[in-house]
Amino acid sequence: SAVISQKPSRDICQRGTSLTIQCQVDSQVTMMFWYRQQPGQSLTLIATANQGSEATYESGFVIDKFPISRPNLTFSTLTVSNLSPEDSSIYLCSAPFGPNAGYTFGSGTRLTVV
Amino acid sequence: ELKVEQNPLFLSMQEGKNYTIYCNYSTTSDRLYWYRQDPGKSLESLFVLLSNGAVKQEGRLMASLDTKARLSTLHITAAVHDLSATYFCAVTMWYRDDKIIFGKGTRLHILP
Repeated sequence: SAVISQKPSRDICQRGTSLTIQCQVDSQVTMMFWYRQQPGQSLTLIATANQGSEATYESGFVIDKFPISRPNLTFSTLTVSNLSPEDSSIYLCSAPFGPNAGYTFGSGTRLTVV
Repeated sequence: ELKVEQNPLFLSMQEGKNYTIYCNYSTTSDRLYWYRQDPGKSLESLFVLLSNGAVKQEGRLMASLDTKARLSTLHITAAVHDLSATYFCAVTMWYRDDKIIFGKGTRLHILP
């Protein structure tokens, strides 16, 4: 099955700084998705990252706060900028691998803002 | 707007018992997924249900899909402690770039 490598696995960041999270897929995928999971909560979709075009953001998420890059079909980054304690969450990337397969998730990045 | 509702949100049960988690969704979708998440871990895919009447089983877990009722169930048979985890159902919005929308999750705690 497909593998998505996500890093860093965790980080502690100062307020006002930024963190960039990377996801590397072991095969080419058209779309990648970025999610946020706050403690004890479900997953909330941040944006869809397509190669060769700008990411599509969900309501409540903006590009200035969560810039996304998708330079090729196997890689994407999510930056969480101007960090505040409210950004402390787990961030996950995901990609679909065919109509009969589930979506595979990266291992997640646990971000703590102090 | 697609909404996915799970119930119960929390379930504490004894080992050896049977129980069912329910997942309702609000609009037409073409795929339904069940995932498991252990504390501090990522999501593990359990089942992909593609059509009305689909039933899949893996060990003590069985998932089914009724697209007419927009309902999926995850049935646990003779629960064991190792099944303690949070279970999420998720549905694709096939008409919106295949993004998946998650339910709130069911936190399952199985008592020895």
